[in-house]
Amino acid sequence: KQEVTQIPAALSVPEGENLVLNCSFTDSAIYNLQWFRQDPGKGLTSLLLIQSSQREQTSGRLNASLDKSSGRSTLYIAASQPGDSATYLCAVCYNQGGKLIFGQGTELSVKP
Amino acid sequence: DGGITQSPKYLFRKEGQNVTLSCEQNLNHDAMYWYRQDPGQGLRLIYYSQIVNDFQKGDIAEGYSVSREKKESFPLTVTSAQKNPTAFYLCATRPGGTYSGANVLTFGAGSRLTVL
Repeated sequence: KQEVTQIPAALSVPEGENLVLNCSFTDSAIYNLQWFRQDPGKGLTSLLLIQSSQREQTSGRLNASLDKSSGRSTLYIAASQPGDSATYLCAVCYNQGGKLIFGQGTELSVKP
Repeated sequence: DGGITQSPKYLFRKEGQNVTLSCEQNLNHDAMYWYRQDPGQGLRLIYYSQIVNDFQKGDIAEGYSVSREKKESFPLTVTSAQKNPTAFYLCATRPGGTYSGANVLTFGAGSRLTVL
């Protein structure tokens, strides 16, 4: 069964810390992996998409890495800010145009 | 102003009633999706449509129905057969094609349905 797991479910850090969010998937034959941000009561915003042939993607203070052999992806957030507080979800796609399989998300709180 | 519009934002339903959630997009995206989100859980796929006049069941289609008569619109009906419909419903679109951004999903703001 293809499953995506995110640990921890919640994380609280002081402002300025660098942090890592984890995503693991059971079937390593992925097509791509996406990271999303969700603010309370809102829709999802796409942050980064990593194709299966890529090792990492960067956007500003965000860096996502992909290790297919171990079935893992990490989202690194540098110099965290209170505005980064949100739930972060990863989702895996197994074929072109295929459906996404989502993890449960990590709720991040960055304290001033 | 391009994007996805979901309406209503909040909806209350009595047991036994059917309700329809609207999803309209002006992004000219080919594919459209409906997801359900429950507290502490990831998103689960209800239905999706790759092209007009065609749609497929997702993982939890029972008790739901959809139509795709126009490219811009993908309404979701929550029927009385859905036993636990209280949830947050999210509509998403995907451009289609094979270029690098073709698989990036864009989400609407969501509709929260509460059964009284």
